[in-house]
Formats: sequence, structure tokens, C-alpha cells
Amino acid sequence: AAGVIQSPRHLIKEKRETATLKCYPIPRHDTVYWYQQGPGQDPQFLISFYEKMQSDKGSIPDRFSAQQFSDYHSELNMSSLELGDSALYFCASSLADRGQRAEAFFGQGTRLTVV
Amino acid sequence: GQSLEQPSEVTAVEGAIVQINCTYQTSGFYGLSWYQQHDGGAPTFLSYNALDGLEETGRFSSFLSRSDSYGYLLLQELQMKDSASYFCAVRSDTGGFKTIFGAGTRLFVKA
Repeated sequence: AAGVIQSPRHLIKEKRETATLKCYPIPRHDTVYWYQQGPGQDPQFLISFYEKMQSDKGSIPDRFSAQQFSDYHSELNMSSLELGDSALYFCASSLADRGQRAEAFFGQGTRLTVV
Repeated sequence: GQSLEQPSEVTAVEGAIVQINCTYQTSGFYGLSWYQQHDGGAPTFLSYNALDGLEETGRFSSFLSRSDSYGYLLLQELQMKDSASYFCAVRSDTGGFKTIFGAGTRLFVKA
């Protein structure tokens, strides 16, 4: 079965550079989430999209932006990178069926290292 | 705001039963999920409770009490491979659907 695809798997950038992370959700899933997970920490919600529109925003820095395209893939753009941005970035997708089985499927993540 | 509390660490032996508790505070509550994450891996879904009561899936069961804002994950017949982090996560609708994770409970299973 198709899963959530994230690319790249690993990314090394220098401070003040820009990075773009891509996510391809499971076909027919209408909701995409982005999470940031630092070493030894829980996943922190950044932003979500429902049917290509931003649906909620969490602790996403102003230096980051995201969008979902017509083919439902999503991109997280990160500018003016800082050392503290080094983390594992997960994308997840789900169906927004209220109250029902609400399984979010996670991609394998993109490990971003800022040097 | 939203907050979840769960123990940071639990240790148990193979074959035993362990319960990981989670209390939450949130608006627009829809349900409580549990995820398992091995080191370096992605969180994987274990269970979801939208209504009060117990949901059983093999060796894992999850319980929810909406009136107490409390849930737990019960792992039976522990195996070494169950050593991982376990996150409770609240699914809420506050103008948009999102899933907020707790800080995770690190489970160590000993032989």
C-alpha cells in the first residue's frame, strides 16, 4: 500500500540558507500535517492543511512557510536557517472524518542538519 | 491552550503488563490516539478512542474517560520489541483539525 513519502530523507544546510522539504500524502487523504521533532522531544505541531487550504497553525516560526498544491503534495519552506532548526521533520496525512477512526500516517521524516 | 501529561519513563519485564496513563486539557476535543515510535523511526498509529471505554487490538488496549480527561494504553505480554516511546495525542478541532502530541513515555522492557 502507498505510504506518505517525504523527500529528501537527509539534508545538510548551512546557517542562513534556505531548505525545502516535500511531502506526498497517501492518495485520497485530505489532511496533511507537518511536525518538528528535536532530539529526545515529542513531535511539535507546525501546520496543517485540509483540502489544500491551511487549516491550523502551531508553533511554526515566521521564517517557515508551507503550502499544499493542486496534486495534494505539500512543501515546507524554511529560510534563514538556524542551528536550532536541526531536527527531524515529519509529514503525516489522514482523512478528516470527525470522531471516527482518525489514524494519521507518518512519513519516514526528513532529518535536517544545520551547520 | 492544550496540554497532555504522561509519565516520562516506565520500565517493565518481558511478559508483564504495563499501563501508560495520559491526562489532557484541550478545547474542541474529538478523541485520544496512541502512537509508538522507535528510535529514529516515524510514529506509528496504535489506537484511537473517541468514546468512553476500552478498545482492544491484540496485545494493546486503550481506554478513555472523557469526563475525567484521562486515558491509558495497556500493553500485555510485553516483548523486547515493545521498547519504544509511546505518545498519547489529542485530536481536536479548534477551527481546524490537528493532532497534538504529549511528551511521550519511554518504555524499557527488560529480559
